[in-house]
Parts: sequence; C-alpha cells; structure tokens
Amino acid sequence: DAKTTQPPSMDCAEGRAANLPCNHSTISGNEYVYWYRQIHSQGPQYIIHGLKNNETNEMASLIITEDRKSSTLILPHATLRDTAVYYCIVSPLGNTPLVFGKGTRLSVIA
Amino acid sequence: DTEVTQTPKHLVMGMTNKKSLKCEQHMGHRAMYWYKQKAKKPPELMFVYSYEKLSINESVPSRFSPECPNSSLLNLHLHALQPEDSALYLCASSRYTGTGSYEQYFGPGTRLTVT
Repeated sequence: DAKTTQPPSMDCAEGRAANLPCNHSTISGNEYVYWYRQIHSQGPQYIIHGLKNNETNEMASLIITEDRKSSTLILPHATLRDTAVYYCIVSPLGNTPLVFGKGTRLSVIA
Repeated sequence: DTEVTQTPKHLVMGMTNKKSLKCEQHMGHRAMYWYKQKAKKPPELMFVYSYEKLSINESVPSRFSPECPNSSLLNLHLHALQPEDSALYLCASSRYTGTGSYEQYFGPGTRLTVT
C-alpha cells in the first residue's frame, strides 16, 4: 500500500506557483520522497526526489519538513502543460519498485 | 538516448489470441519493470527484472508471461486474456542517481483492449 496521502485535486492559475502537499507520517529514516507526474495518456515522468534536505532542479523544488513527515512540491511558474496527476512516493534506499498512491490531479487554468 | 520505447502503442485482441508487448531501452539500465494501469487508477507493479532475471512477480496470473531476452529488451507475452485485463501496460527502467536513490524512466505504454 502507498504510504502517502495527497489531496485528490487542485487548481492553479497559469503563471502562478503550484504547491502540492504530501503527507508521509510513517516514513522511515532510510526512505526517500520521490515525485512523479503523469500527463494524460502518457507514462509517468520523474520530477525530483529528496531524503532530508530541500532540493531544486530545472522542473521543481521539493521542500521536506524537518521531521520528514510531510513535503511540498513546488512548480514555480505553472503552465498549461503542467496539467497532470502528480504522485508523491516514499521508497526505501535501493532499487525498489515504485508504489503509486492515488496522486493529486493538478489543473492549470488560463 | 534517454527513452524507453514500447510497441505497439495500441493493441486489440480477442480472448483466444496470443500477442506480445515489447519494451526497449538503450540506457544501460539493468532493472526493468512492467506496470499495469487501469483507467483512472495509479500504475500497479506486475514484474521486475534485475540483471535479466525475474526478481519480483506480484502474483500476476500466468496468462501474462514476461521475458527478458537481453539487457535492453523486455517482452510481455499475453495469452487467453480476459476483458478485465484491458489496461495501459507501462514499461520502465531505472537509473542509479547516487546515494542509494534511483530514478525510473517510463515508456509511453501500450493500450490494450481485450474483446
């Protein structure tokens, strides 16, 4: 079973920051937080991951709380092409398969 | 080359047919995966191959038969499927990113309809 809880849906105005929350209160010390997204009828796409520290790449920023029980994915300037289902996944160290939860359906509105 | 390719994109088959799905990656990844995704649901793991050997089978019915002929290729052989097996079948491979973490690359999927 998925170890994360996400809101089922969110809206965001185009050009604004999209902040997607994720709760993972049972996360263990050796588990990473990964974010993937799935645009309609495509395969999931890796976005970012982190263990303890905040992370940033060209797509997004990941903010992990100090107790690691929750995190927020930030898309700094959302575009219509960011409309997708976003999955927050907790996964242990090592090459383990992903266990997807229900995700958050983000709709970016013009 | 940073992509996973899957063929065919769409497949319609009868319950008595035998067909195969194909997945290919040339990124040198040594772990490959099959996931199944029903409409409006998240992907669910079916099989994992590690170094060309089957390492995980998530209690998948035997009418689905995976095969890994070499490190770049993954097949899923289908036989005597049921209409409820209609779904999007996703293939993925994984890359080590350092410090114990991995990134999975997914193909676009094969949309299977069983009639």
